[in-house]
Amino acid sequence: DSGVTQTPKHLITATGQRVTLRCSPRSGDLSVYWYQQSLDQGLQFLIQYYNGEERAKGNILERFSAQQFPDLHSELNLSSLELGDSALYFCASSRGLAGGVYEQYFGPGTRLTVT
Amino acid sequence: TQLLEQSPQFLSIQEGENLTVYCNSSSVFSSLQWYRQEPGEGPVLLVTVVTGGEVKKLKRLTFQFGDARKDSSLHITAAQPGDTGLYLCAGGSQGNLIFGKGTKLSVKP
Repeated sequence: DSGVTQTPKHLITATGQRVTLRCSPRSGDLSVYWYQQSLDQGLQFLIQYYNGEERAKGNILERFSAQQFPDLHSELNLSSLELGDSALYFCASSRGLAGGVYEQYFGPGTRLTVT
Repeated sequence: TQLLEQSPQFLSIQEGENLTVYCNSSSVFSSLQWYRQEPGEGPVLLVTVVTGGEVKKLKRLTFQFGDARKDSSLHITAAQPGDTGLYLCAGGSQGNLIFGKGTKLSVKP
């Protein structure tokens, strides 16, 4: 158990809909990262938050957005869903950015299926 | 753009065999991490290497960071079916991790 929790575990929804994925980082971790993993694309970095502020953006679509709240939990919002958005979505957390060592601990993921 | 290439992509071996998987880049990383992921689950951190030339051992797994901090290898001795999974390397740079696409290992009893 990494200490990172994600809800829900599974989500099935229709094209055009909007969903929210939730992540609680490990106790004491200030950074939260979101990743998308599909069969043919590997683990793709979407976005990072550090202590409530957006820190870095990766291959995140404009239809997707995220935020980190004062209690450090984070939400990833996916809207106007398309079939191609079906994937595993992982959240990871780390202590911060100190020292050049960025150990990330992953949650169990949310499997999103868009029908 | 920083890329990490892992090889081989797929590896199927018998229990008891030894194997090495590689993680290569043209970029220098401040650290390099190895993760193992089982189907439908999140990646689990195995090790972090920081110093060029560093070698770390975790039971039957030996991890090495290249002298120039651009590449790494993972050697498994006497593989067991429980070692089956996707092995991902990830390089640390500017507060983020760059992931390779992984090596999918299958160890048959």
